[in-house]
Amino acid sequence: QVHLVESGGGLVTPGGSLRLSCAASGFVFNDYYMIWIRQAPGKGLEWVSHISTRGSDSNYAGSVKGRFTISRDNAKNSLYLQMNNLRAEDTAVYYCARIITGIQMSYAMDVWGPGTTVTVSS
Amino acid sequence: QSALTQPASVSGSPGQSITISCTGTSSDVGDYNLVSWYQQHPGKVPKLIIFEVTKRPSGVSSRFSGSKSGNTASLTISGLQAEDEADYYCFSYAGYSTLVFGGGTKLTVL
Repeated sequence: QVHLVESGGGLVTPGGSLRLSCAASGFVFNDYYMIWIRQAPGKGLEWVSHISTRGSDSNYAGSVKGRFTISRDNAKNSLYLQMNNLRAEDTAVYYCARIITGIQMSYAMDVWGPGTTVTVSS
Repeated sequence: QSALTQPASVSGSPGQSITISCTGTSSDVGDYNLVSWYQQHPGKVPKLIIFEVTKRPSGVSSRFSGSKSGNTASLTISGLQAEDEADYYCFSYAGYSTLVFGGGTKLTVL
């Protein structure tokens, strides 16, 4: 069965750092682009970052560029998000998801983890 | 990158059809057939219901359909059911490897 499970969320003070992890199972992880999406309390979904199958290409939303770093370890079937210089506005549930990846990129997410909550507050 | 524009709310009665619009620009929705739609029930994880504008994943009801005209994509739900009450989000490739969500639409089944 295809599964994604995030971990690493928690309470952090402004300016602090956190590293999120996403463990994948039930599919060939290195065949898929992966993505992080967040949802602030009571708000909509926001694209954060996505990464290519081998990790050689990564892209970021303007709101996190220069502060967040996405990476993956295909040997461990894991996706990561290093978050530095955190701000109150980064408070959200963070989801990792699988992007439907084929001959042509669909940029659609067919498998989602349950999410992990990040709270940035003093 | 500005969010795609969706109506904040729509409503319909059981059995009716409703359409949710998602308006972007010629740089995102209008330029690529890479629009997807997600359904999110309160407290739940989003679920993919339409991808590449019109395609339905396996297991998604045929009552859900997608289309696009110019810079606006649309999600139509026919034969509205109580279980369709949820938030709906559109999502599009926006060029230069950037992606963008719509602001979300709350569907109320009367």
